[in-house]
Order: sequence, then structure tokens, then C-alpha cells
Amino acid sequence: NAGVTQTPKFRVLKTGQSMTLLCAQDMNHEYMYWYRQDPGMGLRLIHYSVGEGTTAKGEVPDGYNVSRLKKQNFLLGLESAAPSQTSVYFCASSYSKSGTWGQPQHFGDGTRLSIL
Amino acid sequence: AQSVTQLGSHVSVSEGALVLLRCNYSSSVPPYLFWYVQYPNQGLQLLLKYTTGATLVKGINGFEAEFKKSETSFHLTKPSAHMSDAAEYFCAVSDTGTGGFKTIFGAGTRLFVKA
Repeated sequence: NAGVTQTPKFRVLKTGQSMTLLCAQDMNHEYMYWYRQDPGMGLRLIHYSVGEGTTAKGEVPDGYNVSRLKKQNFLLGLESAAPSQTSVYFCASSYSKSGTWGQPQHFGDGTRLSIL
Repeated sequence: AQSVTQLGSHVSVSEGALVLLRCNYSSSVPPYLFWYVQYPNQGLQLLLKYTTGATLVKGINGFEAEFKKSETSFHLTKPSAHMSDAAEYFCAVSDTGTGGFKTIFGAGTRLFVKA
């Protein structure tokens, strides 16, 4: 039972390079999320998805794009990386259907990204 | 709009002492409340949650939290700290008005346990 799997675990990029972070969940969850975690700031929501084929902006979406072509996968893209995007990125998923509100989120182990 | 405030970015206790991590929230509708724990180089794991019903919620590893509506608080406690409790703890709130799927996290409290 893998839960939420993030790849890669570590990455170093140069300013201006692009990359895609992959998140996969095997729990048949409807909702998926991308967060960034920075010291003293908790987790901030970048983008989220309420189902296959849908995406929405979170609190800090600028500089990022996402896609959810399959229910189990949620991709986060950086088109032109900047040093301010150095962070730890977490993917999460949750099962929320009518009548099952307030379900907790399940997290991956994170991707540590450094932009030089 | 919802918000979460965790009082104290760092808390240090001795092994065997009471653990108290404070969390206050604001929400315009009845909230769902969560505590998560994060160990080094790992993602967040659910400790406990409050949705409805009993205001004293018991979680894993001996932790519990009490929802106090009048104080808008959801403090986390454990009677006796263990070295393995050293981690970062996050309080979080979800808005029932939107189905509870969007969660706002506090800034986190790092717990140190001294031998």
C-alpha cells in the first residue's frame, strides 16, 4: 500500500530551467493538492484538483502550472525556475464526497528542490 | 476567512513531562480541526481530528486535543513526553462551508524533548 508517492525526492536546478514533479496516489482519492513548505511559514497551497481533468489555484500559484489527466496523478510544473522557488514540495490527497466531509489529507514524503 | 495561529514556534519539554501545544483558529462556519505531525524528511501524518460530536478527541501515540468553541482553541496535549515525540506539529482547519476539502495550516511548532 504505497499511499502518496512523489518523484523525484531531490533535485537541483539552475535558474530558468524547467521541470515537472510527479505525484501518484493509489487510494482512489478525488482531491489532490500541491503545497510548498518554507521555514516558519507552514504549508502553503499552490494548486489543487477536485477531480480528474480539473485544477484550481491555491494561495501561491504564480510560477507554477498543474495538470490532472488521470485521477491517480497530479503533476506540478515549473516553466522557468527561480531561486524563490527553492522549497520542499508536498503532494497530498483526500477523499471527500458528500457525506464524508472533513476527511484528512494524506501526504507524500516531499520533493526537496533547490534553484541555483 | 479561516486562519490558524500556533503559539510558539518551538517548545522544549523534559522526557516524562506534560506536552502542551497551543492552537487557535478563526472560522466563520463550524470548523473541522486537525493536528498533524511531521518527522524529519517525511510528509505530514494525521494525529487526530475533530469533526462533530465529542469535543475531547483522542489520537495516536497518546495525544489528545480538546475543541473549545468559546475560546476558538484546539490545543494538543500528551501527559508524558517521550523522546520519539520530537517532531514538528501542525494545527489545521477546514471550512465546512466548502465541503471541508481545503485546509489551512498553521506555521508549525517544533517540539524538542530533553532526556
